[in-house]
Amino acid sequence: NAGVTQTPKFRVLKTGQSMTLLCAQDMNHEYMYWYRQDPGMGLRLIHYSVGEGTTAKGEVPDGYNVSRLKKQNFLLGLESAAPSQTSVYFCATQEGGFTGELFFGEGSRLTVL
Amino acid sequence: DQQVKQNSPSLSVQEGRISILNCDYTNSMFDYFLWYKKYPAEGPTFLISISSIKDKNEDGRFTVFLNKSAKHLSLHIVPSQPGDSAVYFCAAPISGSARQLTFGSGTQLTVLP
Repeated sequence: NAGVTQTPKFRVLKTGQSMTLLCAQDMNHEYMYWYRQDPGMGLRLIHYSVGEGTTAKGEVPDGYNVSRLKKQNFLLGLESAAPSQTSVYFCATQEGGFTGELFFGEGSRLTVL
Repeated sequence: DQQVKQNSPSLSVQEGRISILNCDYTNSMFDYFLWYKKYPAEGPTFLISISSIKDKNEDGRFTVFLNKSAKHLSLHIVPSQPGDSAVYFCAAPISGSARQLTFGSGTQLTVLP
């Protein structure tokens, strides 16, 4: 039982390149989230989804796009990477209607040169 | 502007003693609070939560206290163990249908043997 799986775990990009982070969950949770973690900033919400086919902006959505074509997958895309997007990215899931508890993946470390 | 604040980036405690991690919030509409624990190279994991109708919640060695008038919560770990060394985040669900969490910046706890 994998829970929440993120791929890739590590990636180095050059400025202007594009990439996609994949989050896959096997918990049948309705809600999915993408956060980024930066030193001294905690976890900040990028985008989220309340169900298959839906997406919404979080606190820091600029420079990112997302898609939720299947309930179990939530993709985070960077169309033109910038050094400011160097960060650790975490995907999380949440059972619909429940107050609060998130289940996180192990994280994806992205470096943009 | 951060709605949940952890003003102490780090805390060192001797094994067996009490660890007290603090968190302040600005939004009086918050009705639920959570603490997450994060080890290096892993995703955050849920630790303990408290509803705003309570002022204390206990789970084994972990107790969370809520002072609504001061907009302050604290996590007490007694007795502290070396395995408790981690980054601790407090979080609260912001209003809206998705109940997405807003996080503090985290406190690095080091328990010295």
